[in-house]
Amino acid sequence: AQKITQTQPGMFVQEKEAVTLDCTYDTSDPSYGLFWYKQPSSGEMIFLIYQGSYDQQNATEGRYSLNFQKARKSANLVISASQLGDSAMYFCAMRETNTGNQFYFGTGTSLTVIP
Amino acid sequence: DSGVTQTPKHLITATGQRVTLRCSPRSGDLSVYWYQQSLDQGLQFLIQYYNGEERAKGNILERFSAQQFPDLHSELNLSSLELGDSALYFCASSVAPASGRNTDTQYFGPGTRLTVL
Repeated sequence: AQKITQTQPGMFVQEKEAVTLDCTYDTSDPSYGLFWYKQPSSGEMIFLIYQGSYDQQNATEGRYSLNFQKARKSANLVISASQLGDSAMYFCAMRETNTGNQFYFGTGTSLTVIP
Repeated sequence: DSGVTQTPKHLITATGQRVTLRCSPRSGDLSVYWYQQSLDQGLQFLIQYYNGEERAKGNILERFSAQQFPDLHSELNLSSLELGDSALYFCASSVAPASGRNTDTQYFGPGTRLTVL
């Protein structure tokens, strides 16, 4: 089974609107971390947001928020007020401890912001 | 700029050769991670070092090896290169190993693009 699943290969959103990128994960480890990264066409990986498995509140970083639903094992990224510069690949990732602190990345979602 | 540096940016070599990729973590970060990103395999975790010691191992081939030096920089050695090793290799660093807190957030370098001909 995939550790991280991103079911949306490509998404489109109108500029200034909000968009949700889906991510589900699979782990039996009670202690884990969830991350989102952005990879623009230039290639670098940019850290966006982190959610710990024991965090009581959903993480927020500026226009990014993480909709963490632990029972459903989902960690969706919400981008509010989309900008043209948000067009990029977005990767969801998980770090778990019971597999020796390995990190797992999803296959990514390509987001295109339309003017 | 994440503060993680990688050299070289681009590397073109032939099958059967050996190359070394270098990474310097952010100031204060003790953990270094290596990833391979290829079109057909996505982003694959290779190996993690913490303060000079191997901490976690992922899908790293036996032809590949890595180490972290006392000054905390790290090198990834790729030998007996094959066409399929062509990929973007990322190094990332974090303050600490997995702790359940945001100190394990990884910051990525710009990557080294390896082309094997």
